[in-house]
Amino acid sequence: GAVVSQHPSRVICKSGTSVKIECRSLDFQATTMFWYRQFPKQSLMLMATSNEGSKATYEQGVEKDKFLINHASLTLSTLTVTSAHPEDSSFYICSASKTVRYTEAFFGQGTRLTVV
Amino acid sequence: GESVGLHLPTLSVQEGDNSIINCAYSNSASDYFIWYKQESGKGPQFIIDIRSNMDKRQGQRVTVLLNKTVKHLSLQIAATQPGDSAVYFCAENAANFGNEKLTFGTGTRLTIIP
Repeated sequence: GAVVSQHPSRVICKSGTSVKIECRSLDFQATTMFWYRQFPKQSLMLMATSNEGSKATYEQGVEKDKFLINHASLTLSTLTVTSAHPEDSSFYICSASKTVRYTEAFFGQGTRLTVV
Repeated sequence: GESVGLHLPTLSVQEGDNSIINCAYSNSASDYFIWYKQESGKGPQFIIDIRSNMDKRQGQRVTVLLNKTVKHLSLQIAATQPGDSAVYFCAENAANFGNEKLTFGTGTRLTIIP
């Protein structure tokens, strides 16, 4: 149980375009989903927290207009990187929790975004 | 500011030996700690957790030790196997003005030598 799936696992997009990443909880209802960003050989940095049916809460320094998060259902959250630039290239990871606790969340397998 | 850090960025261990990965934290308000394993190109995988009212917790081949006096956390992996090769992160959770926040350390790459 507690499987979280991200799609796609890898994506290459051209600079200036937008790309959408999906995060799905396959066998449970996720009250809260979390989006992280990880640069090579670095740790995970929380970008935002999303609760089903409400606006996402973004961490300081994260541009909400650039990283659009939608949590439309209890099993799906999406992260859209708008007008992507090469510096947005990174590993994006989501986690999903049955509660509001970060500590009870399960992680997806991550999405490697490369902007060329 | 508060931080979670690891003493060693890389660690190589002979297969079958035990390994110890260390983590220092500075937020005295942290009350819950988690160790994650991350394999290349994958998301973090929960290994073991410990609450601040404990100083030791054991799982299958893994043990986490917590020393609150010196704000130190360690992960011990017994009888290491090739599949243990990965990056290991400690993460701490502290309620900040009522909002929980999980902060990850910088990670240690563990390499098991066959």
